[in-house]
Amino acid sequence: DFVMTQSPDSLPVSLGETATIQCKSSRTVLYSPNKKNYLAWYQQKPGHPPKLLISWAATRESGVPDRFTGSGSGTDFTLTINRLQAEDVATYYCQQYLTGPFTFGPGTKLEIK
Amino acid sequence: QVQLHESGPRQVKPSQTLSLTCTVSGDSIASGRQYWSWLRQHPVKGLEWIGYVYYDGATHYNPSLKSRVSMSVDTSQNQFSLSLSSVTAADTGVYFCASGCTATSCFFDFWGPGIQVTVSS
Repeated sequence: DFVMTQSPDSLPVSLGETATIQCKSSRTVLYSPNKKNYLAWYQQKPGHPPKLLISWAATRESGVPDRFTGSGSGTDFTLTINRLQAEDVATYYCQQYLTGPFTFGPGTKLEIK
Repeated sequence: QVQLHESGPRQVKPSQTLSLTCTVSGDSIASGRQYWSWLRQHPVKGLEWIGYVYYDGATHYNPSLKSRVSMSVDTSQNQFSLSLSSVTAADTGVYFCASGCTATSCFFDFWGPGIQVTVSS
């Protein structure tokens, strides 16, 4: 199985500042024939299901603010949240979907400093 | 926009079978446009994909649960279901149904609100 790790476990950031969350896969999620990275990012607020933010490592879902940016390739990925707002407080997960079983990272809890 | 909603018993006794149903609106399972997944979330173990089912009954399960899992569809009701046998306390968690998987990718774009299931005697 692909093992997904994330860092940090928790991240205190001041309002208006930038949050950076790392995700690492035990194996590459880059599929060479189409050069796509099979990596998604989700946001989960307490009491709610995860919400898909980004697919294909960098493609924002419709309605997701452009403050959210996904980057990276292969085994190392980053979710960057610019101009942090109070509504961004949540836990963020990465997920690989190159190969089943599809696996998630353990999550990064974003807090306001 | 697809909407999903989980239903079923919220408490199951150890060694018994957990059975849940997901009702879908906003898309037709029979269309074959996507696969329909079950996932669960445990406070310590995190998010886990259980498996998915297609409109024709084809399934793909997580190997870690494969021996205990069964999924099915009822296209007439636009529902799909999960059965997990021989449950233990380790199966306690929030169970979600979700859409989004296709033949070429499997990320989850719409989720049900989730249902808390507790395994306890």
